[in-house]
Amino acid sequence: NAGVTQTPKFRILKIGQSMTLQCAQDMNHNYMYWYRQDPGMGLKLIYYSVGAGITDKGEVPNGYNVSRSTTEDFPLRLELAAPSQTSVYFCASGRNLAGETEQYFGPGTRLTVT
Amino acid sequence: GEDVEQSLFLSVREGDSSVINCTYTDSSSTYLYWYKQEPGAGLQLLTYIFSNMDMKQDQRLTVLLNKKDKHLSLRIADTQTGDSAIYFCAESGNQGGKLIFGQGTELSVKP
Repeated sequence: NAGVTQTPKFRILKIGQSMTLQCAQDMNHNYMYWYRQDPGMGLKLIYYSVGAGITDKGEVPNGYNVSRSTTEDFPLRLELAAPSQTSVYFCASGRNLAGETEQYFGPGTRLTVT
Repeated sequence: GEDVEQSLFLSVREGDSSVINCTYTDSSSTYLYWYKQEPGAGLQLLTYIFSNMDMKQDQRLTVLLNKKDKHLSLRIADTQTGDSAIYFCAESGNQGGKLIFGQGTELSVKP
């Protein structure tokens, strides 16, 4: 199993550009998540999905969009990139079994917007 | 709303014990978690504890849970330089599959 994979590892965007961060998992998990990590701020949830075709906003969804057409893939779309979106982005997947929610994380995408 | 608080830094000498503390607000949390993040990597689950337990031991790791005070701690015995990382506490709350993470505690182990 590859686990959770993310591409690209690094990216530099100019203000106003768009891009899609890719995330895939091969563990047949129904839950998937996107987080951003800023220095000293922990992880903030951007969007999550409880299954194919279902997505919901997290704590900081503005400026982002997601889709979940398959169980395996959960891409994150940035439209009109802004410097405030400079961050490290982590995708995660997991199951929710009787309240137990172990999440498996990808290696992250480091994004700089200049 | 739910909140999880941790101190930001901890420095210990190799061979000492490390204790990382965490407080949380949601008393309905079913599970509480400790994740480890090494430089340039994603988070990796270290251990977790069910809310009806007071303590859980796993090799060098001991998790203590005080539900009354909503306090969680992670003790690492015989801390090694390879334990240097950021440690995140997280609670499941009543979030339907979501976790609330603390800010992370950066553990520095000096030889």
